[in-house]
Amino acid sequence: KQEVTQIPAALSVPEGENLVLNCSFTDSAIYNLQWFRQDPGKGLTSLLLIQSSQREQTSGRLNASLDKSSGRSTLYIAASQPGDSATYLCAVSSNTGKLIFGQGTTLQVKP
Amino acid sequence: KAGVTQTPRYLIKTRGQQVTLSCSPISGHRSVSWYQQTPGQGLQFLFEYFSETQRNKGNFPGRFSGRQFSNSRSEMNVSTLELGDSALYLCASSGGGAPYGYTFGSGTRLTVV
Repeated sequence: KQEVTQIPAALSVPEGENLVLNCSFTDSAIYNLQWFRQDPGKGLTSLLLIQSSQREQTSGRLNASLDKSSGRSTLYIAASQPGDSATYLCAVSSNTGKLIFGQGTTLQVKP
Repeated sequence: KAGVTQTPRYLIKTRGQQVTLSCSPISGHRSVSWYQQTPGQGLQFLFEYFSETQRNKGNFPGRFSGRQFSNSRSEMNVSTLELGDSALYLCASSGGGAPYGYTFGSGTRLTVV
């Protein structure tokens, strides 16, 4: 049974700091991995999608990496801003398309 | 292009009642998935519909059901509501094939009293 773990559960950093969020999964037979952002009481916003054959994806200040063999992904946020404050979720999918989510990392960026 | 639209945004129901939630996917997307989000359990998969057929189902009781129409719009129904059904219900749409990227709606906040 696939399990996804995100560490840390919460993180507070000063504005401008670079940071790394971690995601690990138990079954390496994934189809892809997707990072999402969720603001309080809102839906999920897709940030990056990494297919199983890819090693990383970049979008602006965000970079996500994937190491299938070790069951790990990281989301790197450069030069953090208060507007980055949110909960970040990673999710893996098998070839059936069902997403298995981690519990999320709640990020607070202080001005 | 328009995103995933979920209606209503908020609902308050009484225990024992039933409720129907609606989801309109991105135009051209044929797959619609439903998830339940609670503080204790996080995000849990309910079911997925593709071309009007249920393709995948999570571990929820039979009180939770869904359907998809020919225009890909989907509805989720919960019968005999329990207090524990209070949650944010999220709908996601996808093209249905590789690379299985999902776009989520804003959700329906259901409160059962």
